[in-house]
Amino acid sequence: AQSVTQLGSHVSVSEGALVLLRCNYSSSVPPYLFWYVQYPNQGLQLLLKYTSAATLVKGINGFEAEFKKSETSFHLTKPSAHMSDAAEYFCAVSGIGSQGNLIFGKGTKLSVKP
Amino acid sequence: GAGVSQSPSNKVTEKGKDVELRCDPISGHTALYWYRQSLGQGLEFLIYFQGNSAPDKSGLPSDRFSAERTGGSVSTLTIQRTQQEDSAVYLCASSGTGGVVDTQYFGPGTRLTVL
Repeated sequence: AQSVTQLGSHVSVSEGALVLLRCNYSSSVPPYLFWYVQYPNQGLQLLLKYTSAATLVKGINGFEAEFKKSETSFHLTKPSAHMSDAAEYFCAVSGIGSQGNLIFGKGTKLSVKP
Repeated sequence: GAGVSQSPSNKVTEKGKDVELRCDPISGHTALYWYRQSLGQGLEFLIYFQGNSAPDKSGLPSDRFSAERTGGSVSTLTIQRTQQEDSAVYLCASSGTGGVVDTQYFGPGTRLTVL
């Protein structure tokens, strides 16, 4: 069975500081991994996805994530936080044998302090 | 272009009543998914439609939940005899082909409150 664990339900950073949101996965097959963002009262929006083409994946809004098989991790980073980055972030996995349905982590709420 | 739309945006109902939630996917997308987002359980997959194939109902929590997709487009999620634990945000997503790497585009959700 596949699963995703997000460490830290809440993360707070200062504006301009590094953003690091952690995601570890469990999968018996090569995983496909996704990061989605959810702004208040909105649906989820894809930030980036790992599909085995490259281990460092760049997404929208300056975010990127690195797939590390040895650490079973797919952490999301952004060099400099903006106030507009305040939202909830979800890591998800989709793998062979699924119908493309996503298995989500519990989410990490990011707060950005001025 | 138009994204995924869902209606109603909010629904308040009494325990024991039936509710219907509607999803309009992006035009041309063959795959459609329903998820449920609740405080206790997070985001959970409910059901998946792909073209004219039989749906994958493996995520439905009980037989009170059902869904259909008419003409390969609009989908309706029906919850019969609602219970308080059904209170959640129900999210619909669509993707072009439904493959495991295909991007899913989410609607804004329907917030269901069961009193």
